[in-house]
Amino acid sequence: AQSVSQHNHHVILSEAASLELGCNYSYGGTVNLFWYVQYPGQHLQLLLKYFSGDPLVKGIKGFEAEFIKSKFSFNLRKPSVQWSDTAEYFCAVNRPDSWGKLQFGSGTQVVVTP
Amino acid sequence: GAVVSQHPSRVICKSGTSVKIECRSLDFQATTMFWYRQFPKQSLMLMATSNEGSKATYEQGVEKDKFLINHASLTLSTLTVTSAHPEDSSFYICSARDELSGANVLTFGAGSRLTVL
Repeated sequence: AQSVSQHNHHVILSEAASLELGCNYSYGGTVNLFWYVQYPGQHLQLLLKYFSGDPLVKGIKGFEAEFIKSKFSFNLRKPSVQWSDTAEYFCAVNRPDSWGKLQFGSGTQVVVTP
Repeated sequence: GAVVSQHPSRVICKSGTSVKIECRSLDFQATTMFWYRQFPKQSLMLMATSNEGSKATYEQGVEKDKFLINHASLTLSTLTVTSAHPEDSSFYICSARDELSGANVLTFGAGSRLTVL
């Protein structure tokens, strides 16, 4: 069965530090990849997505992610975090023929301290 | 951009009662909507796909008689938790895509937190 793994459940870091969140998936075929963010008390918002093309994807709020097919990975990065980046981050995967049926990772709670 | 609205945002009910949750696409039409469920400190799990004008399709392990889905119009899908029990307490989230926009991404509602006493 297809699965999505996020390695870190909780991350605490200071403002201006760099952030990298790992995401691996198990499905061997073509996939669409997403990172969503959920700020406290708010709904899920799309940070970025990868369907095809350049494996380095830039999203909103200074986030980027790199798709490495050989490693089945789609790690999220931000060079310098802000306090407002405190949120829960979810990696998600779906097959192109099942675009609405997302398989989510377990999420990573990121806390940025001033 | 596309907005998905859910109502109610929170509901508390007694065991054995039924609860209806609405999901509306506010500024776009959606022939398909998706219902997810999120347990505390866990990830979102797809429950079912709501299809306008036809029956919903349920993921494996989801009881269709427990979770009734009706997609009566292009902007409204409802999830009814029938004869709710404490184990049904969860966060229910719907999502939809603005199909006319061509963007192949889902917009999520803010979720509905159900607590069954």
